[in-house]
Amino acid sequence: GNSVTQMEGPVTLSEEAFLTINCTYTATGYPSLFWYVQYPGEGLQLLLKATKADDKGSNKGFEATYRKETTSFHLEKGSVQVSDSAVYFCARGFGNEKLTFGTGTRLTIIP
Amino acid sequence: DAMVIQNPRYQVTQFGKPVTLSCSQTLNHNVMYWYQQKSSQAPKLLFHYYDKDFNNEADTPDNFQSRRPNTSFCFLDIRSPGLGDAAMYLCATSRNDRGKDTQYFGPGTRLTVL
Repeated sequence: GNSVTQMEGPVTLSEEAFLTINCTYTATGYPSLFWYVQYPGEGLQLLLKATKADDKGSNKGFEATYRKETTSFHLEKGSVQVSDSAVYFCARGFGNEKLTFGTGTRLTIIP
Repeated sequence: DAMVIQNPRYQVTQFGKPVTLSCSQTLNHNVMYWYQQKSSQAPKLLFHYYDKDFNNEADTPDNFQSRRPNTSFCFLDIRSPGLGDAAMYLCATSRNDRGKDTQYFGPGTRLTVL
């Protein structure tokens, strides 16, 4: 079936560390790929998206590149801040299918 | 700013007492969704409206209903809440119901069932 596999958390990093959260997707067709962020007690916010192979989405210092050859959309940030502490969801959208989410990765940044 | 608004942010109800959650949007999007989210799990789609067309997910319990009286508003009705229905309920909108369309989420309503 259509799915998204996301790096399991929780992930704890020190401030200014480099962040990678892995995400892979099933390769049926050419889906759009999304990263959503959920701060404590809040709804999901779109962080970035990419709609075709080799596109790079970027926002607030976060980046993710749509890699068709590895069916991946890993989220990266060069220097994390305490305010980046949240749950991150990778998601896949395709055709008329409902949006498929990964299981979420809880990120905690310590000062 | 265009946005998705949910009221109330926190709702407490009693076991078996009907409750209604509301969502409004200023984005003028065609599609409105309702998701249930438990304990930082991924959101689970309950149903969505494309304009006035209602689309229910196969595994959504009959206890959950929805109404969309106009483009801007959509309601989630839980007819007889059980303890297992305690969760965060998220409303989202998108321009169309294509997979490539970005969904925009509201802040959520956290439902407690006593």
